[in-house]
Amino acid sequence: TQLLEQSPQFLSIQEGENLTVYCNSSSVFSSLQWYRQEPGEGPVLLVTVVTGGEVKKLKRLTFQFGDARKDSSLHITAAQPGDTGLYLCAGERPGGFKTIFGAGTRLFVKA
Amino acid sequence: DAGITQSPRHKVTETGTPVTLRCHQTENHRYMYWYRQDPGHGLRLIHYSYGVKDTDKGEVSDGYSVSRSKTEDFLLTLESATSSQTSVYFCAISESQAVGSYEQYFGPGTRLTVT
Repeated sequence: TQLLEQSPQFLSIQEGENLTVYCNSSSVFSSLQWYRQEPGEGPVLLVTVVTGGEVKKLKRLTFQFGDARKDSSLHITAAQPGDTGLYLCAGERPGGFKTIFGAGTRLFVKA
Repeated sequence: DAGITQSPRHKVTETGTPVTLRCHQTENHRYMYWYRQDPGHGLRLIHYSYGVKDTDKGEVSDGYSVSRSKTEDFLLTLESATSSQTSVYFCAISESQAVGSYEQYFGPGTRLTVT
């Protein structure tokens, strides 16, 4: 079974701090997605990375895909309470249309 | 937001009873998925569909069946519900994107409790 491991599982920080969330696997993925999920709702797609070494920025969020396409990171600069939520990474297996999800990182940003 | 609805949103049922959850999309996307989400496990794929009447098993398919008679509807059935099937169930859709990209859009979820 291919696994995606996310770390840390839980993170509680003060508003204004920076943080990085990691998503690691021993398997290669064709692409990797990051989602954010708020309580009582479904996950919402933040970004997709496709190319090894790719970096994408979404306002204060920076996403990176590892050179070997086995891992990814999400960095948040100057976190805000609105960033609170469950962050999920998801990898697309080669051959397409089936995705596996990590267990998630639960982020809590205190005002 | 992608047009995906799930019904019911909440359900409490007794062990041994059949339960059907419905997912409806208005996006005409080809692929549809059923996941369950449990603490510590993230999202796990139950079944998926790659077209009308074309379905396949995911990693946790035991005790579940699905049907897709129309592009817009994907039904998940628990033939005889068990307490281990207490979970939050999410439907998702996706359409072929550029190479290496199968982004999924999720419904709001159904919270199922089996007593």
